[in-house]
Amino acid sequence: EDQVTQSPEALRLQEGESSSLNCSYTVSGLRGLFWYRQDPGKGPEFLFTLYSAGEEKEKERLKATLTKKESFLHITAPKPEDSATYLCAVQAATSYDKVIFGPGTSLSVIP
Amino acid sequence: DGGITQSPKYLFRKEGQNVTLSCEQNLNHDAMYWYRQDPGQGLRLIYYSQIVNDFQKGDIAEGYSVSREKKESFPLTVTSAQKNPTAFYLCASSTGTGDTQYFGPGTRLTVL
Repeated sequence: EDQVTQSPEALRLQEGESSSLNCSYTVSGLRGLFWYRQDPGKGPEFLFTLYSAGEEKEKERLKATLTKKESFLHITAPKPEDSATYLCAVQAATSYDKVIFGPGTSLSVIP
Repeated sequence: DGGITQSPKYLFRKEGQNVTLSCEQNLNHDAMYWYRQDPGQGLRLIYYSQIVNDFQKGDIAEGYSVSREKKESFPLTVTSAQKNPTAFYLCASSTGTGDTQYFGPGTRLTVL
């Protein structure tokens, strides 16, 4: 069964304290992996799409990486405005009309 | 500005009533999706449509219905058969099947 897990469930960082969020997946052939940011009470905002192991993408303080079994979202020197829930989703090659979402990691950055 | 709009932002329903959630997009996207989000769980797919006048059930379609009469619009009806409808509902669209999905702001439905 295709599945996505994220860890940790919640993460509390001091401003400037770098860390990483993990997304582990089991799918029958990965077509794409997506990262979204979601603020409370709002819809998810698209961040990155990764397609193959070894691929990396960056946006401001965020960098996403992909291996054959997991993806990491690295946050460098975070600021309070980076506080949000970060969602990971995967798309299987055999059922690319759907994506499977993980439960998310809730990030709090304390000034 | 191109984007996805959902209305209303908040919706209250009495038990036994059907309610319809609106989703409109002006991105010229072919594919549209409806998800349900509950605390501590990932987004779960209710219905999706790859083209006008066609739609498919997702993982949790029971108690819901949709229509796709126009490319821009994909309304979701939550029927009285849905046993636990209180949730945050999200609409998304993508250029085509399998492409990156972009989300609307969501509708929070509460059953009184």
